Amino acid sequence: DVVVTQSPLSLPVTLGQPASISCRSTQSLAHSDGSTWLHWFQQRPGQAPRRLISKASNRDSGVPDRFSGSGSGADFTLTINRVEAEDVGVYYCMQYIHWPHTFGQGTKLEIK
Amino acid sequence: EVQLVESGGGLVQPGESLRLSCAASGITFKNYWMSWIRRAPGKGLEWVAHMNEGGTEKFYMDSVKGRFTISRDNGKNSLYLQMSSLRAEDTAIYYCVGWGLLNYWGQGTLVTVSS
Repeated sequence: DVVVTQSPLSLPVTLGQPASISCRSTQSLAHSDGSTWLHWFQQRPGQAPRRLISKASNRDSGVPDRFSGSGSGADFTLTINRVEAEDVGVYYCMQYIHWPHTFGQGTKLEIK
Repeated sequence: EVQLVESGGGLVQPGESLRLSCAASGITFKNYWMSWIRRAPGKGLEWVAHMNEGGTEKFYMDSVKGRFTISRDNGKNSLYLQMSSLRAEDTAIYYCVGWGLLNYWGQGTLVTVSS
């Protein structure tokens, strides 16, 4: 199975400061169509996950523009450029080009 | 408004069976790949099973192969997960997830396997 590794697993951040999460895959997530098959999800406490970013860098509808995704091949980053209180939760990356689709372990973002 | 509403979770003993259902509304269900994804207590997300729009392609994680069966009824806008020979490690919140141009999640249904 493709292993997806996130770091850090815990991310204390001061309100208004930037935050970034790394996601690395054991295999390339590049598709032959030129896209990259990686999503980013947010799961707030007590809520279902929601997708923030598709294909490594495409923000979903309604997602604030302080969230951005970057990277290619097997190395990716989710960046929040100014953390707000509502951003508290667990963030996951997920690859879906190789079966079984696999998630990273999750990064818990909290406010300092 | 899009809604995916799961039902059928509960407390069962090891070795027993359970059938989860997911009722979809607000989307053209037959155009969506559908999945069951779970989150065990204190753990991360795990992809359990996946089915294409027409129900002709199915994929399962290794630990549930032979025990779980995913199915759908496009006429009823519904997704199902038949779970048998349940184990303690299957304890989790199970989410119904739709994949198209957009991505939709239900609120989840809790399955607890315990004696």
